[in-house]
Amino acid sequence: EPEVTQTPSHQVTQMGQEVILRCVPISNHLYFYWYRQILGQKVEFLVSFYNNEISEKSEIFDDQFSVERPDGSNFTLKIRSTKLEDSAMYFCASRNSLLTSGSYEQYFGPGTRLTVT
Amino acid sequence: AQSVTQPDIHITVSEGASLELRCNYSYGATPYLFWYVQSPGQGLQLLLKYFSGDTLVQGIKGFEAEFKRSQSSFNLRKPSVHWSDAAEYFCAVGAGPGNTGKLIFGQGTTLQVKP
Repeated sequence: EPEVTQTPSHQVTQMGQEVILRCVPISNHLYFYWYRQILGQKVEFLVSFYNNEISEKSEIFDDQFSVERPDGSNFTLKIRSTKLEDSAMYFCASRNSLLTSGSYEQYFGPGTRLTVT
Repeated sequence: AQSVTQPDIHITVSEGASLELRCNYSYGATPYLFWYVQSPGQGLQLLLKYFSGDTLVQGIKGFEAEFKRSQSSFNLRKPSVHWSDAAEYFCAVGAGPGNTGKLIFGQGTTLQVKP
């Protein structure tokens, strides 16, 4: 069964450093998402991406964050200058189409745990 | 604003007992509702979803959920819990077709199963 994959599974970085989290969505999916989950808190929407551009972003997704689909398979989240409060689990998700309810569900990757020290 | 509330942060049930996890939502239009499960160290797995039609929906692993519009609820149930059901459960609401599809999640309910 196709699945969303994410690398690395765990990333440790120092405050102020740039990190890139990588995701490989399901191959025929068109819509891509990043969510984050701070330890002990709920999963929060960060950004959605379609047709090579951001379609919606949350207040969390400030200028320090960016997303990119550099090729036909990868979807990346970059944090330019990490802060302690960026420590969280980051989930990538993808879905096929928004046009029919039958294809509405999002498939999530296993997550990347980011630890900023 | 869209929101999801899961009133129970932590629930403990005995193996074989029935389970109900509560979820209330706030959404301006017809919601698309989901329950996801997260085992330790794992990603989010979809248990079931409601878009329209029959308000009682069946999911994987023997779970079901009932949409009650009058109560703005989408509670998850299982008649007999297994030890492997111990995990964190998230209720989520999403917009319908034509929107970006983002999901709004509840705080989650941690389920502990006693032998």
